[in-house]
Amino acid sequence: DAGVIQSPRHEVTEMGQEVTLRCKPISGHNSLFWYRQTMMRGLELLIYFNNNVPIDDSGMPEDRFSAKMPNASFSTLKIQPSEPRDSAVYFCASTSQGSEKLFFGSGTQLSVL
Amino acid sequence: QKEVEQNSGPLSVPEGAIASLNCTYSDRGSQSFFWYRQYSGKSPELIMFIYSNGDKEDGRFTAQLNKASQYVSLLIRDSQPSDSATYLCAVKGYGQNFVFGPGTRLSVLP
Repeated sequence: DAGVIQSPRHEVTEMGQEVTLRCKPISGHNSLFWYRQTMMRGLELLIYFNNNVPIDDSGMPEDRFSAKMPNASFSTLKIQPSEPRDSAVYFCASTSQGSEKLFFGSGTQLSVL
Repeated sequence: QKEVEQNSGPLSVPEGAIASLNCTYSDRGSQSFFWYRQYSGKSPELIMFIYSNGDKEDGRFTAQLNKASQYVSLLIRDSQPSDSATYLCAVKGYGQNFVFGPGTRLSVLP
């Protein structure tokens, strides 16, 4: 099992640019989560999907953030336009419906200059 | 708003001692409780979960849950330098939303 796969591992961009983060959940998992982690705010849930449908996006900071899950094996988190305060580690995680085990990807370290 | 709180630490213990990590949560509807370990620069990994009041042991780790007090703790016996990490408490209610605390940084001194 390859685990949750995220790309890129590191992203450095300039303010105002569009950023797209990618995630492939573990095969067979039907719940997918996007988290953001900073020193100040810890691990914050941005959005999660069940069976490719967004269930709770109340953690998405503002309209600059959007997430999609076009199929069971792929999700994207897009920031447009990016700002320096978006700099953080973004984690994708997946689990099966009814399971209590949440598996995290390696994360994307985003730096917006 | 659902909240999970932890002492930020750092908590320092000597090698071989017992490390005690604490967590409180605000949502009485929370059903499941988790402890994740996160090494610096790495992703969180699940080490324990508990559903029922009382203790649950797994090797050197013991999770304790008191739903009446809305309190969950993690004890690490015979602490090792390799246990030095940030420990994240997480809770889950009905549905799939996992809410994480800010984490407690543990340092085990050789």
